Amino acid sequence: SYVLTQPPSVSVAPGQTARITCGGNSIGSKNVHWYQQKPGQAPVLVVYDDRDRPSGIPERFSGSNSGNTATLTISRVEAGDEADYYCHVWNDGSDHVVFGGGTKLTVL
Amino acid sequence: QVQLVESGGGLGKPGESLRLSCAASGFTVSDYYMTWIRQAPARGLEWVSYIDKSGSSIFYADSVKGRFTISRDYAKNSLYLEMNSLRVEDTAVYYCARGGKWLIRDPFDYWGQGTLVTVSS
Repeated sequence: SYVLTQPPSVSVAPGQTARITCGGNSIGSKNVHWYQQKPGQAPVLVVYDDRDRPSGIPERFSGSNSGNTATLTISRVEAGDEADYYCHVWNDGSDHVVFGGGTKLTVL
Repeated sequence: QVQLVESGGGLGKPGESLRLSCAASGFTVSDYYMTWIRQAPARGLEWVSYIDKSGSSIFYADSVKGRFTISRDYAKNSLYLEMNSLRVEDTAVYYCARGGKWLIRDPFDYWGQGTLVTVSS
């Protein structure tokens, strides 16, 4: 089965840049989507198709995808960005949706 | 505006059944891929099931295949998840979410607030 690997946690100071990775075999050939989930709330889509942002999502959120790693980048991190982040792909090989294990972003 | 509201969660015993509902408004469920996703307590997101626009293509996670059934009612503009032979490990918040209008690989752009299913003897 296809596996997406995320670091369990990332810490960053306010105003700095956070990078959250999502590793998978040839993930660069897939469309990667990213979700933000705050405690007690449903996930919210923040980046889709590797690098596009839904309306209402700040430009500080961006994405990239190449080779075996996709990356969610959050620039000028704010306290309100503290949340869990999940990557998501559709795996054609197994006809399954796959989520990464999630990364807890802590703003120091 | 687009809204998804789940219901039907609650407490069930191992081996019992539960039926979850997801009422959609602001769009027509038959125009989109629809999915169920769950999250066990303090755990990550786990995809459960996916149904395409016509209902002719349905996919399940291996952990629920043969026990859960996804369906939708066009007249009620709703999505359902019939959960049979419940196991303790099915305990989770269950979310319904809207997928793409055209492609199964599209993101989930709207999510419900979730409904809690607890399986315990």
